[in-house]
Amino acid sequence: EVQLLESGGGSVQPGGSLRLSCPVSEFTLSNVAMSWVRQAPGKGPEWVSTISDSGVDTWYADAVKGRVTISRDSSKNTLYLQMNALRVDDTAIYYCAKGGGGYNPFDWWGQGTLVSVSS
Amino acid sequence: AVRMTQSPSSFSAPTGDRVTITCRASEGVHSYLAWYRQRSGKAPKLLIHGAVSLQSGVPSRFSGSGSGTNFTLTISSLQAEDSATYYCQQYYGYPLTFGGGTKVEI
Repeated sequence: EVQLLESGGGSVQPGGSLRLSCPVSEFTLSNVAMSWVRQAPGKGPEWVSTISDSGVDTWYADAVKGRVTISRDSSKNTLYLQMNALRVDDTAIYYCAKGGGGYNPFDWWGQGTLVSVSS
Repeated sequence: AVRMTQSPSSFSAPTGDRVTITCRASEGVHSYLAWYRQRSGKAPKLLIHGAVSLQSGVPSRFSGSGSGTNFTLTISSLQAEDSATYYCQQYYGYPLTFGGGTKVEI
């Protein structure tokens, strides 16, 4: 069965950095678009970023543009999200999700990793 | 950005009822519309894609309709395990956007 397993979340002060990882199994990253979606406490999901199946194209939500970088390592079949200059309003559960590019929905989701930004 | 508006925001219904949730897009998204169910403490799960196509493994009591700007999710016979929050999402263009959610209580 398809699996996505996020890690790397934690507590950080405003201005800090974190790198989230999401190794996947039962499919190959280089064949699909992949995304990060976050959900703040008590709120609905919010799309963060997508990387295309080719890995060449990336897209970002305005709220994170310039502070966040999505990438992947096809040799490790792992998706990443480098987050810098974190703000209190970045506090959320971060999910990696298969899809989001090329007119595809998010058809598989990980269990999420919690990022908490506070002073 | 395409704004997705769901209604109602919440409701309660008994098991066996037929229920409908509505989603409206601020501009046309063709049929690039998905519905997700999110149980408490869990990740969202894809139910419907392409506005009307049932995702593999999803019970047939779920159905979707609509295109353009107006969409609906119908549960033909509500079950106890359907207690959850439901979200619509457009994937026609970036930024990808979700509706505000509909909380369903049994």
